[in-house]
Amino acid sequence: DAGVIQSPRHEVTEMGQEVTLRCKPISGHDYLFWYRQTMMRGLELLIYFNNNVPIDDSGMPEDRFSAKMPNASFSTLKIQPSEPRDSAVYFCASTTGGGSYNEQFFGPGTRLTVL
Amino acid sequence: DQQVKQNSPSLSVQEGRISILNCDYTNSMFDYFLWYKKYPAEGPTFLISISSIKDKNEDGRFTVFLNKSAKHLSLHIVPSQPGDSAVYFCAASYDDKIIFGKGTRLHILP
Repeated sequence: DAGVIQSPRHEVTEMGQEVTLRCKPISGHDYLFWYRQTMMRGLELLIYFNNNVPIDDSGMPEDRFSAKMPNASFSTLKIQPSEPRDSAVYFCASTTGGGSYNEQFFGPGTRLTVL
Repeated sequence: DQQVKQNSPSLSVQEGRISILNCDYTNSMFDYFLWYKKYPAEGPTFLISISSIKDKNEDGRFTVFLNKSAKHLSLHIVPSQPGDSAVYFCAASYDDKIIFGKGTRLHILP
């Protein structure tokens, strides 16, 4: 298996623009997680899905952030409008079975820079 | 409020010696703890975990110790090798909630 796939790997955009990050989880995994990593806050869980249904989005920083999982093999994280403080590395991870009790497999991340 | 704290941002250890990475947590609801390792430009990878009903779990050179009364866990790496240089994240979970610490950067010195 190719592992968790994220695109793009790098994104540079200007403040106010819409940004869409994409994730393809490992086939057969029924949990999908979106994380954000910054120096100040470390690795934060933003939202997670189980069987394509959002379960907990309490980590989503504000309404500018939204996430969807239209099917078992694809998820998006959208920021609209983007702001410089959204600059971070965004990771997607997937797992099966017990959610946070199981090993999560992370993608390589998308480094977002908002100018 | 940080529920999972890794108070040492970085640690340097001589190759061949023991590396000890520490992690403290505040929420007594956590019942499962995990360590992840991260190299630059890659996603974190799972290293080792421990259930709250245990106080030790060992996997090769890696051992995790859990002290529930102190709400403290530690990761021991023996012996330390150059490839162990990475950022290590401690994570704690319960009911599908998972909280990560900020990470500790480990440097293995030749």
